[in-house]
Amino acid sequence: KNEVEQSPQNLTAQEGEFITINCSYSVGISALHWLQQHPGGGIVSLFMLSSGKKKHGRLIATINIQEKHSSLHITASHPRDSAVYICAVKTPLGQNFVFGPGTRLSVLP
Amino acid sequence: EAQVTQNPRYLITVTGKKLTVTCSQNMNHEYMSWYRQDPGLGLRQIYYSMNVEVTDKGDVPEGYKVSRKEKRNFPLILESPSPNQTSLYFCASTLSGTGGNGYTFGSGTRLTVV
Repeated sequence: KNEVEQSPQNLTAQEGEFITINCSYSVGISALHWLQQHPGGGIVSLFMLSSGKKKHGRLIATINIQEKHSSLHITASHPRDSAVYICAVKTPLGQNFVFGPGTRLSVLP
Repeated sequence: EAQVTQNPRYLITVTGKKLTVTCSQNMNHEYMSWYRQDPGLGLRQIYYSMNVEVTDKGDVPEGYKVSRKEKRNFPLILESPSPNQTSLYFCASTLSGTGGNGYTFGSGTRLTVV
């Protein structure tokens, strides 16, 4: 069983739809990181979370430490949101990350 | 502009020929790290550095070396590259490895070893 799992693996949405991407992990963590990888390959750091909820523009990230689960929500989705979204967890004792496999999102106009 | 600069962007080399991929950041970040990304395997951490002269192994350090002699630079060295090191490489930095700040990633280096 992978330490970090994401669902769905692929997601196609229509412009304007509300989108949720899920991340589940099996290890204790000190923080969870959401990344966005554009079709050209570049990676952008979206959120670092250790508890609760964070919001930036149309993006919202939540984490439930007890349930070992995080969600990334995109409101009013737009074609420019099309990317691969990657969840990564940092273990308490280490300073390295374990990455999820990514969720490929396509938003159609 | 605050950024992480990796060079080169693309590199094709032959087995056994030593190479260095450079990474430089202009944000006075303490923490820097290297990752490789492979189809079906996702991102994996190679090495990281908490500060100058402090480096540690990630999940896949075999075949790689790093050094952190100055805060801004964190080169990745392949002493004797092999075809299984063909990959897309990313460097990243953040203010502190123990903090909750976001990371800044370089644009990536696509390495092919033949």
